Amino acid sequence: QKEVEQNSGPLSVPEGAIASLNCTYSDRGSQSFFWYRQYSGKSPELIMFIYSNGDKEDGRFTAQLNKASQYVSLLIRDSQPSDSATYLCALGSNDYKLSFGAGTTVTVRA
Amino acid sequence: SAVISQKPSRDICQRGTSLTIQCQVDSQVTMMFWYRQQPGQSLTLIATANQGSEATYESGFVIDKFPISRPNLTFSTLTVSNMSPEDSSIYLCSVAGQDMSYEQYFGPGTRLTVT
Repeated sequence: QKEVEQNSGPLSVPEGAIASLNCTYSDRGSQSFFWYRQYSGKSPELIMFIYSNGDKEDGRFTAQLNKASQYVSLLIRDSQPSDSATYLCALGSNDYKLSFGAGTTVTVRA
Repeated sequence: SAVISQKPSRDICQRGTSLTIQCQVDSQVTMMFWYRQQPGQSLTLIATANQGSEATYESGFVIDKFPISRPNLTFSTLTVSNMSPEDSSIYLCSVAGQDMSYEQYFGPGTRLTVT
């Protein structure tokens, strides 16, 4: 599986602030990138995917991809206590396999 | 996305025994995968479950330890054989999205504890 590095956590942000999560990868040929949210005791839930350079927005979430610099990030705007979870960055390959980063635990303080 | 169920949701097993985990999907899917998540860790791909042929295993995982069946496009099983406490993990199945999209969706997982 391919190497995926996530910025070490845990990350604590006040309610209403922006949480910024970063992920770097080693394989320049990677084409698909995913962000999963995992609540404690639950399975991962897909929240964002991005295939092209630039920004992709979905509600309060924005994924940013820079293939030249080999990083993908996730911004969570107006953070809510319900956003407290572990966020997993994943890299997809042409054979549909996913390689996951170690995850970043986010805590939103009310 | 497809609705995925797993059985059992959790189990406590004695070392040396085997456990078979079932994954059922409510629609036909081509790509199905099995992952392991050890305590406090991220997810590691065990194998790709291929319909009608042997599973494709990742480095570090072997068929004798983790035999997989995929009898049709909606069902798969993973067996954890000759278990040891190191096999205590959450085991998750996932499926690729419709129309062979790259997104994957996960089942609820099976929490296995080996004593």
